[in-house]
Order: sequence, then structure tokens, then C-alpha cells
Amino acid sequence: DTGVSQDPRHKITKRGQNVTFRCDPISEHNRLYWYRQTLGQGPEFLTYFQNEAQLEKSRLLSDRFSAERPKGSFSTLEIQRTEQGDSAMYLCASSPPPGRGSSGANVLTFGAGSRLTVL
Amino acid sequence: GQSLEQPSEVTAVEGAIVQINCTYQTSGFYGLSWYQQHDGGAPTFLSYNALDGLEETGRFSSFLSRSDSYGYLLLQELQMKDSASYFCAVRGRQAGTALIFGKGTTLSVSS
Repeated sequence: DTGVSQDPRHKITKRGQNVTFRCDPISEHNRLYWYRQTLGQGPEFLTYFQNEAQLEKSRLLSDRFSAERPKGSFSTLEIQRTEQGDSAMYLCASSPPPGRGSSGANVLTFGAGSRLTVL
Repeated sequence: GQSLEQPSEVTAVEGAIVQINCTYQTSGFYGLSWYQQHDGGAPTFLSYNALDGLEETGRFSSFLSRSDSYGYLLLQELQMKDSASYFCAVRGRQAGTALIFGKGTTLSVSS
């Protein structure tokens, strides 16, 4: 297994454009998370999937953000009408089902992230 | 909701011992986790405490006191490569929900 993969690694876009990020989790992991991180801050939770079901969304997540995990494997995060404040590193993570491996859902494996710059 | 507090910066010298504290507030508690993140890198899991006491993993140990809503990460025999940001994290309201991270502690190790 190659770990959690994210694509693209870097995206520069103009304000108002739409962007989409893709995440491929570790294959045995049924849980997938999206976080956002800005410089000097901790990862900020955005949304979380268990298999294909989106179980939780942060109240901070605006309507311009949407995430999908159509077949319970890869996930996409789309940001519509980007704003300069959306500039951040978008991190994807996955975790195994509870009871498997070390501490289950508390052990997140993160991808390298997709860095978004909105001009 | 959940909130976590940890110092923003800690400095130490090689070979020393450093303790990074974390206090948390959460409705429902499902364990305290610690993650390390080097500049430009992804967060990586270090340790997890579900019960009170000390968990040791090599040079790193993590402690939890549920009655005090407090934990710490202890790093011993510090090395330059330990210079990184360290985040404590707790689970949300219900078991199965996502980890919420603190703002992180930047550790600088000098020679």
C-alpha cells in the first residue's frame, strides 16, 4: 500500500474559479477525513466519511464546499467560487475500522496535502 | 463543542527532556492523541491514551489524567530531528466522529 495519496499537490487559481481535490485513502481504511490547515495552525476538521456515507460536516464549512465519496473508496473535495480566504493546505486522512490495528479511529494516516493558493 | 489548549512554542537543547502539556474540554471523551508534523510534511501519529496513566513508545511518552482533562507528551533524549510541531487531539461528541486538533506546539531543538 502506498499510503494516502492526494492530487494535485499544488493548485493556483483565480478568485471565483472552482477547484477539485482528490484523495485516495489506504485501501483497508473505511473512514476518510478532510481537514484544512493554515500556517501556524492545527488541522481544522471539515468533513468525514465512513464508507460512502458523509457522517459529519463542520459547521464552519460553507455551502461552497462539497465532498463526495461515491463508492466508498476515493473522495473528492470541491470548492466553488473560490475566495482568497480559501488559500490553505487541504489534508486528507484515513483510518481503519474500530478494533483493527492500533486504536482504530484515533490513528489517522494523512496524505501529503493539496496546497491551494487563490489569487 | 471541543477545545484544546497547548503552549505555542517550546525550546530545548539536544539531549534534554521536554514536556508539552495539553488541556482539553469536550462533551464526551474518547481518548487523547498526539501527532507530530515537520515543516512541509503531513501530521503523523505518535501516541494515544484512552485511560489514565503513562504510555511509553521509545523516547516518547504520553500521559493522561481524565479527571483533570489534562495530558502531556514527554520527549526524552531530544534530537535535532525532533524539531517539529506537536498537536494534541480529541475525538468529538460521539464515538466515531472526527479528531479535533489543538493549534500545536512548535518545538525547537538546538545543539
